[in-house]
Amino acid sequence: AQSVAQPEDQVNVAEGNPLTVKCTYSVSGNPYLFWYVQYPNRGLQFLLKYITGDNLVKGSYGFEAEFNKSQTSFHLKKPSALVSDSALYFCAVRDKENRDDKIIFGKGTRLHILP
Amino acid sequence: EAGVAQSPRYKIIEKRQSVAFWCNPISGHATLYWYQQILGQGPKLLIQFQNNGVVDDSQLPKDRFSAERLKGVDSTLKIQPAKLEDSAVYLCASSLEWTPLYEQYFGPGTRLTVT
Repeated sequence: AQSVAQPEDQVNVAEGNPLTVKCTYSVSGNPYLFWYVQYPNRGLQFLLKYITGDNLVKGSYGFEAEFNKSQTSFHLKKPSALVSDSALYFCAVRDKENRDDKIIFGKGTRLHILP
Repeated sequence: EAGVAQSPRYKIIEKRQSVAFWCNPISGHATLYWYQQILGQGPKLLIQFQNNGVVDDSQLPKDRFSAERLKGVDSTLKIQPAKLEDSAVYLCASSLEWTPLYEQYFGPGTRLTVT
């Protein structure tokens, strides 16, 4: 079955520093990968997706993600963190092994940006 | 454009009671999803509708959970009878079409506590 792993429960970064939230995947075939963010008391919001093409994907709020096939990773990055980036981040992968076609989410990584 | 609406936002019930959640997707979105998000975990798909037909309900505990999407617009998710392990946030999402390649838009969720 397709899956994603987020090895860090929490990441702390000082404001203004670059941030990385890690994600690795396990899929058969070509991976379709996503990042979503969940702010407190709000629903999940789409950030970006990788389907094909450039390994560096740009998304909302200045975030980007780097697809690395050899390392089976899809890490989320931002050059300069803002306090408002503090939220719960989910990596996800498309699961199309069976007849259905859905997204499988990782367990999430809580990002704390320290002022 | 109005987002995905859900009600109620919070619900507390005792085990063995029944509860129902309502979702109104974004206008024009053919696909509607119900997810269960247990604390510390990523969202798990319970059921997916395309218009008023079920695309995937493989992870829906059908002995106690039921869902319907009458007329292909609003949807209701019901739990009867509730168990302690049903305590979670129930998220509704919608998208233009049923493949995950179309962005999913999430509602704010309903936080259910079963005591």
